[in-house]
Amino acid sequence: QKEVEQDPGPLSVPEGAIVSLNCTYSNSAFQYFMWYRQYSRKGPELLMYTYSSGNKEDGRFTAQVDKSSKYISLFIRDSQPSDSATYLCAMSNRDSSYKLIFGSGTRLLVRP
Amino acid sequence: EAGVTQSPTHLIKTRGQQATLRCSPISGHTSVYWYQQALGLGLQFLLWYDEGEERNRGNFPPRFSGRQFPNYSSELNVNALELEDSALYLCASSSAGPSYEQYFGPGTRLTVT
Repeated sequence: QKEVEQDPGPLSVPEGAIVSLNCTYSNSAFQYFMWYRQYSRKGPELLMYTYSSGNKEDGRFTAQVDKSSKYISLFIRDSQPSDSATYLCAMSNRDSSYKLIFGSGTRLLVRP
Repeated sequence: EAGVTQSPTHLIKTRGQQATLRCSPISGHTSVYWYQQALGLGLQFLLWYDEGEERNRGNFPPRFSGRQFPNYSSELNVNALELEDSALYLCASSSAGPSYEQYFGPGTRLTVT
């Protein structure tokens, strides 16, 4: 079993829809949670960074962490065709020496 | 502010050769991390350098090595290349020392034939 599980998709939604992307994990020591966006043949772009449980909002993006369920989510409001990309979750814990563990990524397609 | 830069963009090598990949962190960033993104395997941590020293290493053989220079730029060397080393190699940096908040460059695509 992988430490971080992420549905590969693809997830196809119409423009303007609310998108929900999720990851589950098995290591209860994870405390730091990140979401990255990666366009085809580019490097990952850091979207959200959260510590421990709770919600964090930044513009159209909201990150949620539920440590009791070992489940994290990224919500995208008013999705745009330019949001079409692969979304990667990543996480880490204090003893990891800053090594990030990544999910395999979910491909998102926002249809105009 | 310029982001993380990597060179070359593409690199084609033959099995058994050596490859050298370069990374310049964001100005003011002192920690550099290397990751491998191979098809079907996702992003995997390779190495972390901080203040010129190797601080952490992932599950990769010793033929993957590197260094960090006094200006905080870094080099990844892969010796005795194997076909399975074909991947996108990504460099990330973080500000004011090590951090979980890592910013990635565009990557170097290494193809081993």
